[in-house]
Amino acid sequence: QSALTQPASVSGSPGQSITISCTGTSSDVGGYNYVSWYQQHPGKAPKLMIYDVSNRPSGVSNRFSGSKSGNTASLTISGLQAEDEADYYCSSYTSSSSHVVFGGGTKLTVL
Amino acid sequence: EVQLVQSGAEVKKPGESLKISCKGSGYSFTSYWIGWVRQMPGKGLEWMGIIYPGDSDTRYSPSFQGQVTISADKSISTAYLQWSSLKASDTAMYYCARAQGGYYMDVWGKGTTVTVSS
Repeated sequence: QSALTQPASVSGSPGQSITISCTGTSSDVGGYNYVSWYQQHPGKAPKLMIYDVSNRPSGVSNRFSGSKSGNTASLTISGLQAEDEADYYCSSYTSSSSHVVFGGGTKLTVL
Repeated sequence: EVQLVQSGAEVKKPGESLKISCKGSGYSFTSYWIGWVRQMPGKGLEWMGIIYPGDSDTRYSPSFQGQVTISADKSISTAYLQWSSLKASDTAMYYCARAQGGYYMDVWGKGTTVTVSS
């Protein structure tokens, strides 16, 4: 069982927006602005999409955005494109053991 | 170009030892944490631990403490992940990544596949 809870799957049509949630506790997501999001295509290494809750690394499309409310962080992808179909993972610093935890991952299907 | 180059795929038997590597280039290797992430077949990402090559400060996830050893040789800009006695359950893809601030990973290696089978 992962420390952070994500939906197993989400789907959307091209051009639509979707949101993936990531729920933790006050010891991780809720207690620190150290939430990041990763995209992983099959057979590829993960790619950083969002860090520190809402910051985008250089080169990441502005269709990707992050936010947080209480113990739940969210990744929103607007203007869905076929290339967005991938697995998405959230992660957060946790004070429980002074390390990092990942969510279980969410498979995004673009219909 | 900032990159991390990982060693090649390994096939080992249970009980054998193994050390895989991750060589950094294009940045100051001693100034950034390097982390290791496990991905078992068909499963999600698991954070194993991190090392700061500048002073070899190392932190482990409780799940991996005592199961693996993370080390680094800053003279050759290389981090390592090693096992003293492999188990079949260690079969997985292992990624190294540069860990900014020790927590978010902005540059990833392509991964090293480890297969443990008798």
